[in-house]
Amino acid sequence: GENVEQHPSTLSVQEGDSAVIKCTYSDSASNYFPWYKQELGKRPQLIIDIRSNVGEKKDQRIAVTLNKTAKHFSLHITETQPEDSAVYFCAASGTSGTYKYIFGTGTRLKVLA
Amino acid sequence: GAGVSQSPRYKVAKRGQDVALRCDPISGHVSLFWYQQALGQGPEFLTYFQNEAQLDKSGLPSDRFFAERPEGSVSTLKIQRTQQEDSAVYLCASSFRGGYGYTFGSGTRLTVV
Repeated sequence: GENVEQHPSTLSVQEGDSAVIKCTYSDSASNYFPWYKQELGKRPQLIIDIRSNVGEKKDQRIAVTLNKTAKHFSLHITETQPEDSAVYFCAASGTSGTYKYIFGTGTRLKVLA
Repeated sequence: GAGVSQSPRYKVAKRGQDVALRCDPISGHVSLFWYQQALGQGPEFLTYFQNEAQLDKSGLPSDRFFAERPEGSVSTLKIQRTQQEDSAVYLCASSFRGGYGYTFGSGTRLTVV
């Protein structure tokens, strides 16, 4: 069935360092890959997304890369700040269509001051 | 409204009780989604509406779960005869059309005792 694996489950970095979170997906028909940030008790917030016709996308300190052949995509956060601490979820659109997301299990990022 | 609004924010139900969870999407958003998020997990798809039409309900766990959006705006997720395994956060999301980058609400945390 449709599946998204996400690693690592927890990640601690020093303030100013970079953080990388990796996801793999199983369905080769997936064509849309959003990333969400969720702070404790709050709603998931979209931080960046990428479509399958693009290999990389950047937005200030955040970038996402996509390797469709390997069915692999990654989130890169540079110059991390304490306010980046949260749980990050990757997702891939499912076979049924772009509207349905299959989420990874999340990465808890801690940025140490 | 400015965002997706969900109510109640918290709900405690006794096992066997029926509950109704409300979602008020962003004004003008055609697409509406319900997800279930268990503790420490990523959200899991429940159902999808385009206007008042329920186009996909493949994620509803059992026939105790029912969702509606009769006028194409506000949606209600109803759970009949609640069980302990129904305890989770129920997230609603909406998008202008389709599934690109939808916006989540803050969710309803349901606890079945």
